[in-house]
Amino acid sequence: KAGVTQTPRYLIKTRGQQVTLSCSPISGHRSVSWYQQTPGQGLQFLFEYFSETQRNKGNFPGRFSGRQFSNSRSEMNVSTLELGDSALYLCASSLAGHRNSPLHFGNGTRLTVT
Amino acid sequence: EDQVTQSPEALRLQEGESSSLNCSYTVSGLRGLFWYRQDPGKGPEFLFTLYSAGEEKEKERLKATLTKKESFLHITAPKPEDSATYLCAVQGLLDGTSYGKLTFGQGTILTVHP
Repeated sequence: KAGVTQTPRYLIKTRGQQVTLSCSPISGHRSVSWYQQTPGQGLQFLFEYFSETQRNKGNFPGRFSGRQFSNSRSEMNVSTLELGDSALYLCASSLAGHRNSPLHFGNGTRLTVT
Repeated sequence: EDQVTQSPEALRLQEGESSSLNCSYTVSGLRGLFWYRQDPGKGPEFLFTLYSAGEEKEKERLKATLTKKESFLHITAPKPEDSATYLCAVQGLLDGTSYGKLTFGQGTILTVHP
């Protein structure tokens, strides 16, 4: 069974630009969550999508947004990039609402903002 | 607000030298406590979920235990391939039907020397 797939693996952007990251969940998983990982703050929750609806949101500014498609694939967008947005962005999927289904993570997209 | 603190920040062991990692947490009703392993350049890999105090789970050289305030990850006779960052995370009952939000600790970097 294929795992969570994230593209691209690496991105270099300039301050002020915007970026879109993509995530394909494990087949059959309907919940997709996004996390930001930095050396200083660790892993921080961005948002969760289920059935194309945002179900939960972390404490990030409105520049961070996402969406989910009918096939459960998800994208996240960061507008007006800042230097502090440089991080590893991780996507995770799970069987929604199933207590015994933990989050399974992809290998992330490494975003560098210059 | 849920909080997770892991100790030590880094741990260096000789091959075969058993030890434990600690995860202290505060949460408004624990839905689950999760242990993940993360290798450099990769996303976190799921290890265990613990749901209630007194619960224990084992996998090869790893054993996770849970009390009402903390969890331990015991590593018995570690090998160099056990070297990784070990992450602890909690999920609270206040998140309702959202199962995608985890609060992570900063992790323990484990290095096992041959």
